[in-house]
Amino acid sequence: AQTVTQSQPEMSVQEAETVTLSCTYDTSESDYYLFWYKQPPSRQMILVIRQEAYKQQNATENRFSVNFQKAAKSFSLKISDSQLGDAAMYFCAYRSLSGSARQLTFGSGTQLTVLP
Amino acid sequence: GAVVSQHPSRVICKSGTSVKIECRSLDFQATTMFWYRQFPKQSLMLMATSNEGSKATYEQGVEKDKFLINHASLTLSTLTVTSAHPEDSSFYICSASRGTFNQPQHFGDGTRLSIL
Repeated sequence: AQTVTQSQPEMSVQEAETVTLSCTYDTSESDYYLFWYKQPPSRQMILVIRQEAYKQQNATENRFSVNFQKAAKSFSLKISDSQLGDAAMYFCAYRSLSGSARQLTFGSGTQLTVLP
Repeated sequence: GAVVSQHPSRVICKSGTSVKIECRSLDFQATTMFWYRQFPKQSLMLMATSNEGSKATYEQGVEKDKFLINHASLTLSTLTVTSAHPEDSSFYICSASRGTFNQPQHFGDGTRLSIL
């Protein structure tokens, strides 16, 4: 079974600064998807960014980018020019491509605080 | 706009009551939907995979008779918490994806269940 680990329960960043959230995972599969989801106080799950394991190029979505290190099984999220609206719980998630299962395995989350 | 609708958003009821939560895919057919449970300040834990036209697949430790899942159509899955007790109080979230592996999961807005 796959596991996802987020070792930072809480992080804080000054507005307009950059912050990196860590995520590691364990799998024996060679092909899979990785995701970062954001959950603000409203509890809605919002997809931030995703990465296909077979792609070497790191995914980027505006101010959000990832550092995907497949060999190290690491998938960190960098938020540049942090904004107050970025404050939320961030979850790293893994999805297998084997069989018909498409469920997500989530990490424990990182609570991000943005300081004005 | 939202592609997965979850209803109701909040339920408060007495112990012993059965509660039904609906999850609808609004503009696509979802042969598979997922039900998660989230305790405060914790991650999402997969409860079960809902399969259209067949029995749901439950994760280890989830009581099938307590959490009844029905996926009667390609756009609707329901989770019924039977004879709910205070320990069933939690945040329940459903998700669905459009079809192929490269499609991300879309989440409903969740249901906050409080059993008195």
